[in-house]
Amino acid sequence: DQQVKQNSPSLSVQEGRISILNCDYTNSMFDYFLWYKKYPAEGPTFLISISSIKDKNEDGRFTVFLNKSAKHLSLHIVPSQPGDSAVYFCAASEGNTPLVFGKGTRLSVIA
Amino acid sequence: DAGVIQSPRHEVTEMGQEVTLRCKPISGHNSLFWYRQTMMRGLELLIYFNNNVPIDDSGMPEDRFSAKMPNASFSTLKIQPSEPRDSAVYFCASSLSQGNTEAFFGQGTRLTVV
Repeated sequence: DQQVKQNSPSLSVQEGRISILNCDYTNSMFDYFLWYKKYPAEGPTFLISISSIKDKNEDGRFTVFLNKSAKHLSLHIVPSQPGDSAVYFCAASEGNTPLVFGKGTRLSVIA
Repeated sequence: DAGVIQSPRHEVTEMGQEVTLRCKPISGHNSLFWYRQTMMRGLELLIYFNNNVPIDDSGMPEDRFSAKMPNASFSTLKIQPSEPRDSAVYFCASSLSQGNTEAFFGQGTRLTVV
């Protein structure tokens, strides 16, 4: 049973526009959430995180939003750039437990 | 720091052979994780260690899989005997603690069992 779900396997966005990647989770005890970015033939790299005590965290072009009541988080990339094309993984953890990952969403930014 | 180092990057082996994947975590990190990536299941946790001690191996698919961490700077994941369905990318990651912090991933080992 997948505790972290990324229901969109892929997303295409034009360069300069906003990319919105979504993630849902089922475990209400999750208290830390992260987004990772993965290029082909490389390992996932950490992008941005958010604690459950916040509802928004921003880092440059990247913003993560957390809606605890809906058990939903999203990653906004504005403006999208061709170099953002990658697979994005949502991850979550509960207390002192390892990260649980979604299956990923492949983002293609079209020039 | 060079980051998490995995070897080999690619491994092609015949069904029934033993396969050993290696990982050197980031110095000073107390937790080490082995993940497997497949199209069907995404990134799934196989096993993790804290201070070199295995904490949870419930993600290990079968007894054919085993992992060790003899010291703070080295871990292995062994598959014996290997089967075609073990073909996947295996990632090692390390972090300062078990949870509530980002994990740093190696570049992965792409395993193909023919």
